[in-house]
Amino acid sequence: GAGVSQSPRYKVAKRGQDVALRCDPISGHVSLFWYQQALGQGPEFLTYFQNEAQLDKSGLPSDRFFAERPEGSVSTLKIQRTQQEDSAVYLCASRTSGNSYNEQFFGPGTRLTVL
Amino acid sequence: GDSVTQMEGPVTLSEEAFLTINCTYTATGYPSLFWYVQYPGEGLQLLLKATKADDKGSNKGFEATYRKETTSFHLEKGSVQVSDSAVYFCALSDKSGGSYIPTFGRGTSLIVHP
Repeated sequence: GAGVSQSPRYKVAKRGQDVALRCDPISGHVSLFWYQQALGQGPEFLTYFQNEAQLDKSGLPSDRFFAERPEGSVSTLKIQRTQQEDSAVYLCASRTSGNSYNEQFFGPGTRLTVL
Repeated sequence: GDSVTQMEGPVTLSEEAFLTINCTYTATGYPSLFWYVQYPGEGLQLLLKATKADDKGSNKGFEATYRKETTSFHLEKGSVQVSDSAVYFCALSDKSGGSYIPTFGRGTSLIVHP
């Protein structure tokens, strides 16, 4: 497709379960970002990839969060042993190049609810 | 560190009213500035941007001017429509550690009544 896609759109998990969230960026986009968006808040940066390299993971809230982009295209955000405070919308965005001021293109997000 | 401050919402207006949503920022470098819009159930999409001082970004009747002296990037529209109802996010992109990682404000909800 032409845009960034994310799956699943909605995920309900029981506390303690592991989840995996997928992001398909726009083809050819070098940069990929993951954000966490709590209700009523702006996107908070989690991690950033340039091709397959994870250049910044300073925003990951704990070692339960892990992201990968092994072939420089599709990315997966994994959350282990989910907690209620992990409930949020997880946004993925891609951008054409690495170090630039270009705009980001966002996916629709995955809404995670941890019961 | 970098930060973006937006006015609290919701902003409630009647159709054809004038809109201003304030945005101020702090940045260590010389950032680019953006406004993104998020319609219900959708991801953020770029509305407009400006990359240097005194630049005016504009799109769909919205505009914002990059004011370096006041570190502001206020969003304006002369006559809002019901279809403009959405959440608006101000953001900056600054070089930090060699990467341009954007910083977002918390968003301002706009509700336009017929």
